[in-house]
Amino acid sequence: DVKVTQSSRYLVKRTGEKVFLECVQDMDHENMFWYRQDPGLGLRLIYFSYDVKMKEKGDIPEGYSVSREKKERFSLILESASTNQTSMYLCASSLGGVDTEAFFGQGTRLTVV
Amino acid sequence: QQQVKQSPQSLIVQKGGISIINCAYENTAFDYFPWYQQFPGKGPALLIAIRPDVSEKKEGRFTISFNKSAKQFSLHIMDSQPGDSATYFCAASGSRLTFGEGTQLTVNP
Repeated sequence: DVKVTQSSRYLVKRTGEKVFLECVQDMDHENMFWYRQDPGLGLRLIYFSYDVKMKEKGDIPEGYSVSREKKERFSLILESASTNQTSMYLCASSLGGVDTEAFFGQGTRLTVV
Repeated sequence: QQQVKQSPQSLIVQKGGISIINCAYENTAFDYFPWYQQFPGKGPALLIAIRPDVSEKKEGRFTISFNKSAKQFSLHIMDSQPGDSATYFCAASGSRLTFGEGTQLTVNP
């Protein structure tokens, strides 16, 4: 069974903290993605990766960075958390190619206080 | 800049009715148009998808209608059921997936 696992369901962090969100997939997928979900704004792409050690900016990369040291693991890093980064974060993975299904994790609800 | 516009933001339908969600896109390079369904507490999951070389695709009670010239596509849910209550996202893909804003569908018993 296909699985994308995010390390935390809920996270509360303080303003200015460095935050790590971890995502692991067990499907040997090339592509991995980090999205942010906010009401009325849908899913917005933060960063994505087509291969190990490769990364590309999505639509809203400011304030975030990513790391992909192994094929199955994709980490999202908030260098200095701010209250406007309070959101639901979703990780996804897919095989290479345009018309392939994206599989999502259950999400991490991050609150920055 | 939202490259995929989705409407309505919310939709309430009676059991047995037809639910219709509409999307419009701008980028003519998009060539794959999936719909994702998300239940509370879960990540989105692929529901149905279409390529632009066909005008309609049906899977059970779910149908995508696609109008390439108008750059619009829609999801129709026939005989809507309370179990269909969820958030629906349209998306478009070129080199990566771009999602619409989402529609929260409620089907009343």
